[in-house]
Order: sequence, then C-alpha cells, then structure tokens
Amino acid sequence: GQQVMQIPQYQHVQEGEDFTTYCNSSTTLSNIQWYKQRPGGHPVFLIQLVKSGEVKKQKRLTFQFGEAKKNSSLHITATQTTDVGTYFCADSGGYQKVTFGTGTKLQVIP
Amino acid sequence: DVKVTQSSRYLVKRTGEKVFLECVQDMDHENMFWYRQDPGLGLRLIYFSYDVKMKEKGDIPEGYSVSREKKERFSLILESASTNQTSMYLCATYRGLSYTDTQYFGPGTRLTVL
Repeated sequence: GQQVMQIPQYQHVQEGEDFTTYCNSSTTLSNIQWYKQRPGGHPVFLIQLVKSGEVKKQKRLTFQFGEAKKNSSLHITATQTTDVGTYFCADSGGYQKVTFGTGTKLQVIP
Repeated sequence: DVKVTQSSRYLVKRTGEKVFLECVQDMDHENMFWYRQDPGLGLRLIYFSYDVKMKEKGDIPEGYSVSREKKERFSLILESASTNQTSMYLCATYRGLSYTDTQYFGPGTRLTVL
C-alpha cells in the first residue's frame, strides 16, 4: 500500500532559525494536505495543495508541492515558540480516505 | 464549526478488559475514522466507516472492531485489551464529497492498558 514518509522525525531549532519538513510518497499524490498538532492537542488542518509545482504561503509558512506530485515540503521562516508541535502531511486523494505521513515533531528553543 | 467529541480524554484499563471508545460528530459527515498515534509512527488508520453499518479495515485492524449504528456515532472496541494497545486514539470525520474537504479530529483518548 501507499507509504507517506516525513523527514526528519524530530527537529530542535533555536527560536529565529528556519525549519523545513519533507514529505515523500511511494506513489503519486493526488492532493497534499498539511496538518499541525500542538502538544496535547489534535491535528488541525493548515492547507491543501492540488497542482504540480504549487506553492502557497501562510505568513511565515511556505508549502510546496513537487513537480512530479510525489513529494511536498513545509518551510517555516524565523521560527517562534508558537510553532512548536508535530506537522503531518496527508494525501487526500481518496474521497473516503486520507493517508497521513509519519509526522515531524518540532521543538523551538527560546 | 464541526464538532467531534470523544467519550474520554484519559482511560486506564487492565489487560483482558473489553474497552469501548466512542466518537460523536455533529456535522452529518458520511465518513468517520479511528486512528492510533504512537511516537515515530504517525497516525495509523485502524478502521473507517463511509456509511451507517458500513466499515472498512484500515492499516492495523487486528485486535479492534468498530460499530456504526447511527451516522453521528462511531465506536471503537478493543475486545480484549493488551498492553501493546496503550496509545493515543483519535477519531476523525471527513465529508469526502470534494477534493477540498479536510478531516476534522476529536480531542483524542489516551488509553493506558496495565
């Protein structure tokens, strides 16, 4: 079956440093969604990318969908302590099923 | 706003006990899901349901069963709890009618099996 892997699994950064998490799929992704889970919380939808090569921005967050639609990335510029959490990518291609990546846990050191 | 509630935030059970986890949603979504979340393994799909009384196995269904008697309610059952089922369990709903639809998660139940 489809596997969606994320790297790195964990990342510690100093506040103000940049951070990137990468999402790679064993099969072509239909659409890619990104979720954020704060410590002690549940995953919350951030954004969806649909088109090959698409780039979207949300303030300090930049999301990119690969040209071959087999990978995606999330880049955070100048991290803040509020960015702490686990970031998941997910393939939302199936109308009945969403396949989640393994997640990247971000720690921001003040 | 979609509201997804789960019956307990924390639960402690003993090995061999039968455990019920319940999820209720108020948005009339067709699809409901049960995931377990473990460090380093992300969200793994246990079972999902796309309609009342319908269910499909996810990636790790062994040791679990589900019930969906009403559209708004999806229950996860551990027939005989074991220590390797200690985990965070998350319920989610998904309308699934458009490629722009997203999943909405409940707050999670942290289950400890002793």
